[in-house]
Amino acid sequence: AQTVTQSQPEMSVQEAETVTLSCTYDTSENNYYLFWYKQPPSRQMILVIRQEAYKQQNATENRFSVNFQKAAKSFSLKISDSQLGDTAMYFCAFMGTYNQGGKLIFGQGTELSVKP
Amino acid sequence: DAGVIQSPRHEVTEMGQEVTLRCKPISGHNSLFWYRQTMMRGLELLIYFNNNVPIDDSGMPEDRFSAKMPNASFSTLKIQPSEPRDSAVYFCASSPSELSEKLFFGSGTQLSVL
Repeated sequence: AQTVTQSQPEMSVQEAETVTLSCTYDTSENNYYLFWYKQPPSRQMILVIRQEAYKQQNATENRFSVNFQKAAKSFSLKISDSQLGDTAMYFCAFMGTYNQGGKLIFGQGTELSVKP
Repeated sequence: DAGVIQSPRHEVTEMGQEVTLRCKPISGHNSLFWYRQTMMRGLELLIYFNNNVPIDDSGMPEDRFSAKMPNASFSTLKIQPSEPRDSAVYFCASSPSELSEKLFFGSGTQLSVL
């Protein structure tokens, strides 16, 4: 069974600085998707970034980038130039492609606080 | 598009009462998912439908929970009778197809069972 582990329950960062959130996962599949979701106090689940396992290039979305290490089964999220609006819970998630039908397996979450 | 629409946004009920949560997926999406979020268990998949048919309900906690999708634009999650441990945020999500990795979440229903 696939599992996703986020070992940092809470993190904080000063505004404008860089922070990295960690995520490890376990799977026997060779192809899959990895995601980072943001959940602000509004409760909405917002997709931050997505990585396809067969792509070696790390995904980037503006200030957000990932460090995907397939052999190590590691998928960390780097937030550059942190902003107050980045304060939220961040969830790492895994989706297999053989046929998990869109089933996401989530980590426990990391609560990020961006301080002014 | 309005996105995935869930109602109600908040629900407070007493133990033993029936609770019905509603979801309208994005038009044209063929797959629909119900997730539950609790402090203890995090986010977990309860059930998912493809083309209105339940495909995997292995995450449904017990017989008190039931889900239906009578048509492509509407789904319900019912708890009868409700218990305090059912208190959680319930999310509905939809996807263009069963094989798509693109999941779109609703705003969730915060359920409190007293």
